[in-house]
Parts: sequence; C-alpha cells; structure tokens
Amino acid sequence: EIVMTQSPSTLSVSPGERATLSCRASQSVGSHLAWYQQRPGQAPRLLIHDSSSRATGLPARFSGSGSGTEFTLTISSLQSEDFAVYYCQQGNDWPWTFGQGTTVEMK
Amino acid sequence: EVHLVESGGGLVQPGGSLRLSCEASGFTFGAYWMAWARQVPGKGLQWVATINEEGSQRYYMDSVRGRFTVSRDNAKNSLYVEMTSLTAEDTAVYYCGRHRVGSHVAEYWGQGTLVTISS
Repeated sequence: EIVMTQSPSTLSVSPGERATLSCRASQSVGSHLAWYQQRPGQAPRLLIHDSSSRATGLPARFSGSGSGTEFTLTISSLQSEDFAVYYCQQGNDWPWTFGQGTTVEMK
Repeated sequence: EVHLVESGGGLVQPGGSLRLSCEASGFTFGAYWMAWARQVPGKGLQWVATINEEGSQRYYMDSVRGRFTVSRDNAKNSLYVEMTSLTAEDTAVYYCGRHRVGSHVAEYWGQGTLVTISS
C-alpha cells in the first residue's frame, strides 16, 4: 500500500498570505495525485486532479504541482473560506490512499 | 447538478450487518465508476470500495474485503454497500462518491451517513 504523508499537520496563515502544503508518496504515483478540501461538517471537495489540473470552477489562487513522489498545493492568497483541512490522494495503485491531512488555520 | 444522497446509517451491534444506499441524480449514473469512502469523526479518509460502470470490477480495501459487498443498480441510479461482521473499527461516516471519468479520484462526494458500531 502506498503511504501518503502530508506536511505540515497544521499551517497557521493570515488572510491574504500564501499557503504551501506538501504531500509525499512512499513510491512513485506518476501524476495520479489529487487534492481535496474539507470544511467542518462537509464532504470532501475535489480541488486538483492529475497533480496540477484544477477542478471545474476552482479559483485560480489554487495550484498544484509535482510528480513521482513529491507534490505541492499552493494557495496564493488565502481567503476566509479557504481555512479548512486539505487531503492529498493517490489514484495510481489500489488501494487508493489519502494523506492524513493538513489543517490550514487562521493565524 | 450532481447530487449523491446516502442513507441507511445507524447504530448496530458488533457482529451485525447494515446496508447503505446512495441515490444519484444529475448525471448519467451508468457511465461512471462509483465509490465508497469513510471517515472516522475527526480523523482522515479511507477509500473503502469502488465499482466500475457495469459492476463487473470491484475493489475493496483489505480490512473490509470479504465482509463488505459493493453493488449498483443502474436502472435505479443507485449504489449500495452491504456490510457484515461489523466491528467498532467500522464506525465512521460513509461517503458515496463519483469517479472522475478515466481517473481514480472522486469528483463528487455525498454528505455522508454515520455508521456507529456499539453494544
């Protein structure tokens, strides 16, 4: 099973600042990497698929990059609605696995 | 607009069984792979099972293989998971998801249904 490790566990950021989240895979997943956002009490929401492709309607302040084992989600200028938990997920090898999540909290 | 609505959750004793349902609307259900994932409250996500468009391919995470059965009825736009031999470790919110075409990520998730295993 591919283990996905996210860092940091918690990121404290002020509104308007840039947030950079990392995700590392225990073996290569190519570009088969997705990012989800989950707000309290809500279902996960797909943000990024195939490492860097934005989901339909996603604001341009969200961007993804990386391949192989190292991936990054960047939020260029945090808005109030962006404070949430973010998960990465590999879709390369079954079982598809999630990282443990990064909580983006207001500083 | 895509809608996925799960139902069937509840309190079950250890060793018991439960069937969850997911009613889909807003898209051609039979054209998509579908999935179940779960989340222990306050914890991370696990991808539990996936089924292809016709139901001929099914994948299960190790800890549920042999106990859970995923199925679908394309005529009823519905996805199911039959869960047996339930343990406390199966306690979670269960989400129904729709795969993105040609990809193993979920483009949409429902709001989830809570399954609690306790005596």
